[in-house]
Amino acid sequence: GAVVSQHPSRVICKSGTSVKIECRSLDFQATTMFWYRQFPKQSLMLMATSNEGSKATYEQGVEKDKFLINHASLTLSTLTVTSAHPEDSSFYICSARIVRDGPLHFGNGTRLTVT
Amino acid sequence: AQSVTQLGSHVSVSEGALVLLRCNYSSSVPPYLFWYVQYPNQGLQLLLKYTSAATLVKGINGFEAEFKKSETSFHLTKPSAHMSDAAEYFCAVSDGAAGNKLTFGGGTRVLVKP
Repeated sequence: GAVVSQHPSRVICKSGTSVKIECRSLDFQATTMFWYRQFPKQSLMLMATSNEGSKATYEQGVEKDKFLINHASLTLSTLTVTSAHPEDSSFYICSARIVRDGPLHFGNGTRLTVT
Repeated sequence: AQSVTQLGSHVSVSEGALVLLRCNYSSSVPPYLFWYVQYPNQGLQLLLKYTSAATLVKGINGFEAEFKKSETSFHLTKPSAHMSDAAEYFCAVSDGAAGNKLTFGGGTRVLVKP
């Protein structure tokens, strides 16, 4: 089946630094990727929709200059948390879709801790 | 706009007992409905989905859910809980249109007692 790989699985960074999270579709080409954030004991909140070769579409309230999304190829999307602060500590999950209206395949998530 | 409400953030069941997780949705268009399971520090795994075909949907791991339009519900059940069912479960809805995005409920954490 379709596999989505996220890297790293865990990252700890200092406040003010930037962190890049990768989301790769390993055995399929993903036309669309989604980025979610999940705070402890809460549900997933969609942050942005990423389409290959175009600018990401951010959900209301998500700062596009802080959460930079790049979908440079059909198998890779990256989320960069710029100038991270402790309140950015969260579990970030990506998902990918092969075709429109197709099933979503989720990565295993990245636990970001900002100290 | 769409929304999902999961009743009960925590459910405790005995091994072998019925598992019932409640989900109610709100949607202005015919909904696509999903149940996902999340194990600690992992992503989401699709259990089952409703896409306007049969109202009783069977999924993986012995789970099933019934779509009831009159009640705007999509409750998840499993006749006999197993220890491996301990996880967090999310109900989600999408509009099924182009670029359909998932809106998740708050999640229900299931604890299975031996």
